[in-house]
Amino acid sequence: IQMTQSPSTLSASVGDRVTITCRASQNIGVWLAWYQQKPGKAPKFLIYEASTLESGVPSRFTGSGFGTEFSLTISSLQPDDFASYYCQQYISPPWTFGQGTEVEV
Amino acid sequence: EVQLLESGGGLVQPGGSLRLSCAASGFTFSTYAMAWVRQAPGKGLEWVADIAGDGSNVKYGDSLQGHFVISRDNSKNSVYLQMTSLRAEDTAMYYCAKDQIPNDGRLVLDHWGQGTLVTVSS
Repeated sequence: IQMTQSPSTLSASVGDRVTITCRASQNIGVWLAWYQQKPGKAPKFLIYEASTLESGVPSRFTGSGFGTEFSLTISSLQPDDFASYYCQQYISPPWTFGQGTEVEV
Repeated sequence: EVQLLESGGGLVQPGGSLRLSCAASGFTFSTYAMAWVRQAPGKGLEWVADIAGDGSNVKYGDSLQGHFVISRDNSKNSVYLQMTSLRAEDTAMYYCAKDQIPNDGRLVLDHWGQGTLVTVSS
């Protein structure tokens, strides 16, 4: 299953509402996760089952979608949110990630 | 607190071998599947392999089986990645990660180590 994210890079400012899209090449139901990665750091788990926030993740993050179309929205971008974001399908192996979206200033 | 600490990375010549280790703590290790995920410099994330909590089931990314072997020792709370016939394209940061939910047949990774860097070069 191929995962395609858009855009690859997103330029934004603090306070902006930003949305990242992830498309699956076939129906994956709700079996989609999102991760955040900052330069030189390990990925951090944000969202599972397309829309459920992991404990401790700020409520400004929202995941949505079903089937083949998904999105990650940050309602009001904070300085700590400038990072790369990856989606991952986990309906069946091989588990695959999107190519990533870098949110930059 | 869940902690994952990778070790074993380094510089290796093409065709060489390397064994990565990941020491886990803070959770009931034998209950959870564990995975290795790699990231080539400047690139995205790539799932390498995962192993069930009891070690009974292993899965590999495309073209990696026979090239990499994942194993675990639940008595030592550790998971390993034996890498052989290494090629330049195996150069990457290798992360150890823990599955979120035991025994559900799916792999979503809720905790990650800091990674260990493998460089394949002559």
